[in-house]
Amino acid sequence: GQNIDQPTEMTATEGAIVQINCTYQTSGFNGLFWYQQHAGEAPTFLSYNVLDGLEEKGRFSSFLSRSKGYSYLLLKELQMKDSASYLCAVRDSNYQLIWGAGTKLIIKP
Amino acid sequence: IAGITQAPTSQILAAGRRMTLRCTQDMRHNAMYWYRQDLGLGLRLIHYSNTAGTTGKGEVPDGYSVSRANTDDFPLTLASAVPSQTSVYFCASSSDGDYNEQFFGPGTRLTVL
Repeated sequence: GQNIDQPTEMTATEGAIVQINCTYQTSGFNGLFWYQQHAGEAPTFLSYNVLDGLEEKGRFSSFLSRSKGYSYLLLKELQMKDSASYLCAVRDSNYQLIWGAGTKLIIKP
Repeated sequence: IAGITQAPTSQILAAGRRMTLRCTQDMRHNAMYWYRQDLGLGLRLIHYSNTAGTTGKGEVPDGYSVSRANTDDFPLTLASAVPSQTSVYFCASSSDGDYNEQFFGPGTRLTVL
């Protein structure tokens, strides 16, 4: 079967750095996405990795290792507005997205 | 309209009733999707459409049907609602760019009693 694993919840301090991990087992791989979802709102696109390595976009970076079936999202200089759920999704061989359950990130002052 | 709209925002429905959730996008995206999101579970694909006139089944299609008469609209119908269909429903569409990232509507919160 297909499976995406992420921690359920993480807590971090404002101004700090946090890393959210995602491991996956899917039938085929055609890219990995990270989305942010604030409570009661729709998911919004954060990043996309299809090749191994680090993709940096401002305070957010995403890393991929295809051989390990592993990705992480790195958030720097945390702000209170970063309190949200972070969803990892893998595009499989049918070009459909398989979603993890999401990691709820709580930022404390 | 800017992006994707969904209607209604929320609905309480008696079991056995028929219900259609509406979804409209103005981005001219070819692909559209319906997901349900339940606490502790990831988004699960119900149905999708790669282009107008075609539809496909996702992971959890039972009890739901869709149609795609044109590019902009992708309604989801519950023929006879059951309590297990209580969920938040998101419609999404895909860009045609390199990422093909999905853009989501604001969601419909459906409660079936």
